[in-house]
Amino acid sequence: EPEVTQTPSHQVTQMGQEVILRCVPISNHLYFYWYRQILGQKVEFLVSFYNNEISEKSEIFDDQFSVERPDGSNFTLKIRSTKLEDSAMYFCASSDDGRSGNTIYFGEGSWLTVV
Amino acid sequence: AQKITQTQPGMFVQEKEAVTLDCTYDTSDPSYGLFWYKQPSSGEMIFLIYQGSYDQQNATEGRYSLNFQKARKSANLVISASQLGDSAMYFCAMREYSSNDYKLSFGAGTTVTVRA
Repeated sequence: EPEVTQTPSHQVTQMGQEVILRCVPISNHLYFYWYRQILGQKVEFLVSFYNNEISEKSEIFDDQFSVERPDGSNFTLKIRSTKLEDSAMYFCASSDDGRSGNTIYFGEGSWLTVV
Repeated sequence: AQKITQTQPGMFVQEKEAVTLDCTYDTSDPSYGLFWYKQPSSGEMIFLIYQGSYDQQNATEGRYSLNFQKARKSANLVISASQLGDSAMYFCAMREYSSNDYKLSFGAGTTVTVRA
């Protein structure tokens, strides 16, 4: 079964450092998403991406965050200058289109720990 | 306002018994979808079941069924014949389609612990 893959599975970084989280969505999918989950809390939407541009972003997704689809397969989330409160599990997800009935599939997540 | 409400932070269930996880939602969009995901302790998000707002029948997937009560805006998940491997966090989520807003909004989750 096709799956969304994410790397790294776990990253520890110093506060203020830049982090890039990578995702390979399912190959025929058109919509891509990043979500995050702070430990013990609910899953929060960060950003959606369609047709090579951001289609929606939440208030969490401030200027420190950016997304990119540098080639036909990868979808990246960059955090420019990490803060302690960025420590969370980051999930990449994809769906084939936005129509009803189409499931959003999630990757296994990337644990980010900022120290 | 909360779009998805899961009022049960944690539940215990005996192995082989059924368990119902509550989910209520809030939307004015006539076209929406409701999803349930399972998150085991390893952290990944596993899709379980989907119900569309226009679906006439309740969704079923193996041991999972969704008790969809549209007028009450509830979409409870029923897990039948619980297994030890069902111990996990379960999230209810919703997508609203009319506004081209395709993101999922999640509830706070319910932790299920299956006892042998």
